[in-house]
Order: sequence, then C-alpha cells, then structure tokens
Amino acid sequence: GAVVSQHPSRVICKSGTSVKIECRSLDFQATTMFWYRQFPKQSLMLMATSNEGSKATYEQGVEKDKFLINHASLTLSTLTVTSAHPEDSSFYICSARPQRQGGLFANTGELFFGEGSRLTVL
Amino acid sequence: LAKTTQPISMDSYEGQEVNITCSHNNIATNDYITWYQQFPSQGPRFIIQGYKTKVTNEVASLFIPADRKSSTLSLPRVSLSDTAVYYCLVGFFFKTIFGAGTRLFVKA
Repeated sequence: GAVVSQHPSRVICKSGTSVKIECRSLDFQATTMFWYRQFPKQSLMLMATSNEGSKATYEQGVEKDKFLINHASLTLSTLTVTSAHPEDSSFYICSARPQRQGGLFANTGELFFGEGSRLTVL
Repeated sequence: LAKTTQPISMDSYEGQEVNITCSHNNIATNDYITWYQQFPSQGPRFIIQGYKTKVTNEVASLFIPADRKSSTLSLPRVSLSDTAVYYCLVGFFFKTIFGAGTRLFVKA
C-alpha cells in the first residue's frame, strides 16, 4: 500500500518555541492532506485540510495563526505549532489522499496515515 | 457528512470471530464505508473498504446490507495483537471525520 511518512515521531520543546512537523507521501502524489490531533484515549480530531498550492481549510475552533499549514508540493505538507504551550502537547497525525487516477486507488477515497508525531511542550 | 455510531468497547477471546457494527443512517449515494485500525501511539491503518454487499480481504470481511445504513466488520479468529481501536468512516473524497471508534480488547 501507499506510504505516508511523518517526521519527527517525537519532539519535546520548551514553552514559547515553534515546532514543525512534516508529512510526506512517499510513493504517490496527494493534492489533499489532512491534519489531526489526538489526546489520550480519544478519537482523532480533524484540525485542517491542506490543499496543494492553496490555503488550508481549518475546522471550527482551530486557530490558523497557531497551527500553520503549508502544502508546497504534491508530496509534502507541514504543520507548524507556533509559540507552543503545554496544552498543545498531543499526538499529531497526518493523512493523505492520492490523486484520483485509474488503478488501485481509483474512486475509493482511501486515506493513508502517517505514523504520528508526539509533541510534548514543557 | 454521514455520522457514524459504533459500540464504545468490546471484549473477546483469542480464536473467536468478532463482529463490530457501525450505524450510518444518513449515508450518501456516493459514500464508501471504510474501516481503520489504530494501535496506541500509531496512525490509523486501513483494514477494508466497501460500497455494498460483501467485501473480503486477507484480514477481514465487511458486510453491508442493501439499504447501506449500517455495516459490520468481521474479524475471523482474533488474536491478542488485534487489541486496538477500530474506526468506521463514511465518505467519498471529502474531509473525513472520525467517530469515537470501538475499543476491542482480546483476552487470552
């Protein structure tokens, strides 16, 4: 299956600093990527939809100035947590949807997820 | 977006078949039904996807009745390593919203 890679898998930072998390689709092109956050024993919460070459669409309640998303190419989206605080500590996960094309992924809408990035803000 | 409802948790024993049902009463015509598995501190992993009737792959089967308002994920002969959270998602090329999922605990 398709592979989505996230980096870093774990990051610890001091309060007030910014942290960047990368999400790469390794063997397919993704015009759309999604970013989620997940607190312990809770479901994934969609934060934003990242579209290549355009501004991200944020879910209600998610601060776009706090969580900067850049989708500069068809294989890379980045999430930057700016001025991080302890309450931003969470598990961040990205997913990517392959461009519609014939073959295995045609018309399925299947999502491929990264391994997740655990952010701890001290 | 179709909302999904699943049992919060289920217990099973090794070797048993486990069926997890998901309700999605307002599923749209173009929506596919997809199931994901998630282990702690990992991203969700695709299990199976279907549109109608029955789909089977090497790890699971998915049963979808004619009205498509529900679906059942069937895991044959579960093992301890199947302990995870299982999510049912409904959608097609739109943003994907996760429900609460079903926490399956497999006992020895």
